[in-house]
Amino acid sequence: GQSLEQPSEVTAVEGAIVQINCTYQTSGFYGLSWYQQHDGGAPTFLSYNALDGLEETGRFSSFLSRSDSYGYLLLQELQMKDSASYFCAVKRSSNTGKLIFGQGTTLQVKP
Amino acid sequence: DTAVSQTPKYLVTQMGNDKSIKCEQNLGHDTMYWYKQDSKKFLKIMFSYNNKELIINETVPNRFSPKSPDKAHLNLHINSLELGDSAVYFCASSHYGGGSGNTIYFGEGSWLTVV
Repeated sequence: GQSLEQPSEVTAVEGAIVQINCTYQTSGFYGLSWYQQHDGGAPTFLSYNALDGLEETGRFSSFLSRSDSYGYLLLQELQMKDSASYFCAVKRSSNTGKLIFGQGTTLQVKP
Repeated sequence: DTAVSQTPKYLVTQMGNDKSIKCEQNLGHDTMYWYKQDSKKFLKIMFSYNNKELIINETVPNRFSPKSPDKAHLNLHINSLELGDSAVYFCASSHYGGGSGNTIYFGEGSWLTVV
């Protein structure tokens, strides 16, 4: 079967750093994506890792370790607008954009 | 300009009815998807089309029938609606295989409530 595990909720204060972990077990793995979704909104793309290591995009970074079937999303200098749900998602093969999503992590940023 | 647009945004209907959701993308992508998000926010793919050809058909009741008249449009028709069909349905698009960076663009969602 396919499974992705991530914490259901995380709370942090403005200006802090938070890490959202994702472990996966899927038949086939090509890469790991992260999506942000505000309440009532659309999932929006944040990052994608196909190779091991860290990818940095502004305040957000994403890490992948294929040998550990593990990745994380790191959010720095948290802002109130970062309060949202964050989903990790596995791409299983190169010839499809199909994503297998985790259950999502609700991040609450407090003043 | 909205990149992936879907209509209607909200839909309340009675059990047993038939309804359709329409989706259009203006990103020049050749692949489109339907995802379903349940009340627990779990997102699951339903269908995918590439250049009007069905390439992904997950285990979905055959009451759900997608149709792609061209690569910029993907519609979802649902027959004999059931209470359990209540969910948010997201249309999405990408280049083939997800494209560089595997970026999938989602529409704003269609909130379907079956009563």
